[in-house]
Amino acid sequence: DTEVTQTPKHLVMGMTNKKSLKCEQHMGHRAMYWYKQKAKKPPELMFVYSYEKLSINESVPSRFSPECPNSSLLNLHLHALQPEDSALYLCASSTGGQTNYGYTFGSGTRLTVV
Amino acid sequence: SQQGEEDPQALSIQEGENATMNCSYKTSINNLQWYRQNSGRGLVHLILIRSNEREKHSGRLRVTLDTSKKSSSLLITASRAADTASYFCARGYMTTDSWGKLQFGAGTQVVVTP
Repeated sequence: DTEVTQTPKHLVMGMTNKKSLKCEQHMGHRAMYWYKQKAKKPPELMFVYSYEKLSINESVPSRFSPECPNSSLLNLHLHALQPEDSALYLCASSTGGQTNYGYTFGSGTRLTVV
Repeated sequence: SQQGEEDPQALSIQEGENATMNCSYKTSINNLQWYRQNSGRGLVHLILIRSNEREKHSGRLRVTLDTSKKSSSLLITASRAADTASYFCARGYMTTDSWGKLQFGAGTQVVVTP
């Protein structure tokens, strides 16, 4: 299995809702990432988990809450989001916490906040 | 903030022609990576070139790296309609806390017409 699987593919949520994005990989990768991408912009790093521990938080607002239950799963819990949080959320994984190897990306969750 | 700059921002060519895009960065790298993104979905890792390498090939792709000029280029030879996508360079580097990070450039949108 050489894929990163993200669910759901599309999500529409109200500003008072609580929802979660899910990411799964079975490649034995020990580093997992959340990126946010706005239209026609490059991906921006949000969080890095290395060996199931949060190693980087790029000053992301607390309405985004990451969780890494085990080495194969990565969640992003969403609460009280704003319309400007609408974007493509990408999960990625890599062999380790270094950047010596390329990242494997999922196909993303397109989030719309209404 | 995004340190990588890519040019051109957009490139339109015909099938069979070569496509060249450039990437510049401002600070140190461990490596420079190139990714392709189709229609705002997930990114696909194309090639990684390490800071001590000058040129690398993969199929129809050729990447060069000039660390003295802090720049890299991606050449796609004999382009096909299926090469239509956005191409991103990404700077792989280590933080002061010894975590690996990948920072993306603004991207080049390539359109290949039959």
